[in-house]
Amino acid sequence: KNQVEQSPQSLIILEGKNCTLQCNYTVSPFSNLRWYKQDTGRGPVSLTIMTFSENTKSNGRYTATLDADTKQSSLHITASQLSDSASYICVVIGFMDSNYQLIWGAGTKLIIKP
Amino acid sequence: NAGVTQTPKFQVLKTGQSMTLQCAQDMNHNSMYWYRQDPGMGLRLIYYSASEGTTDKGEVPNGYNVSRLNKREFSLRLESAAPSQTSVYFCASGGPRRENTEAFFGQGTRLTVV
Repeated sequence: KNQVEQSPQSLIILEGKNCTLQCNYTVSPFSNLRWYKQDTGRGPVSLTIMTFSENTKSNGRYTATLDADTKQSSLHITASQLSDSASYICVVIGFMDSNYQLIWGAGTKLIIKP
Repeated sequence: NAGVTQTPKFQVLKTGQSMTLQCAQDMNHNSMYWYRQDPGMGLRLIYYSASEGTTDKGEVPNGYNVSRLNKREFSLRLESAAPSQTSVYFCASGGPRRENTEAFFGQGTRLTVV
């Protein structure tokens, strides 16, 4: 069964600290992997898109890694800010039945405390 | 450039009532989607439309109908609302169903069925 599992479910850190969020998946065949940020009461917004051949991709203070062999991805946030408080969702795109299909993780809720 | 606009933002319905959620996009995308998001779960696809005039069922279509009115607009209808349909609904456009491109989300409709 195609699944995306994220850990931890929630995380509280102090402003200025770093953190790493994990994503494990069993989606096959794999097309690409995306990390989204979802602020409370808003729709998800894309942070990064990673293809099979990419190991690391950065977007400002966000760095995503992908290990396609072990089917794991991580999102590292450096020098956290209060505005980073949000849910972070890992989405894996598979190609099935002649269509690309999105398999969504449940997200990690990150709270940054001053 | 408004992107994806959903209306209403909040709605309370009584069991058995009907309503239509509206969605419009101004990015000239072919694909549009309706998702629901429940606590502790990933987004689940209700219906999608790969192009004007076509619609297909997603993962959880029961109790819903959709209309792709034109290229810009994609509406979701609840004919007889049930408490199990209490959720946050997101419309999205673009994205990887056929094109493996980015998806853009509306701000969501928070629906409560009592």
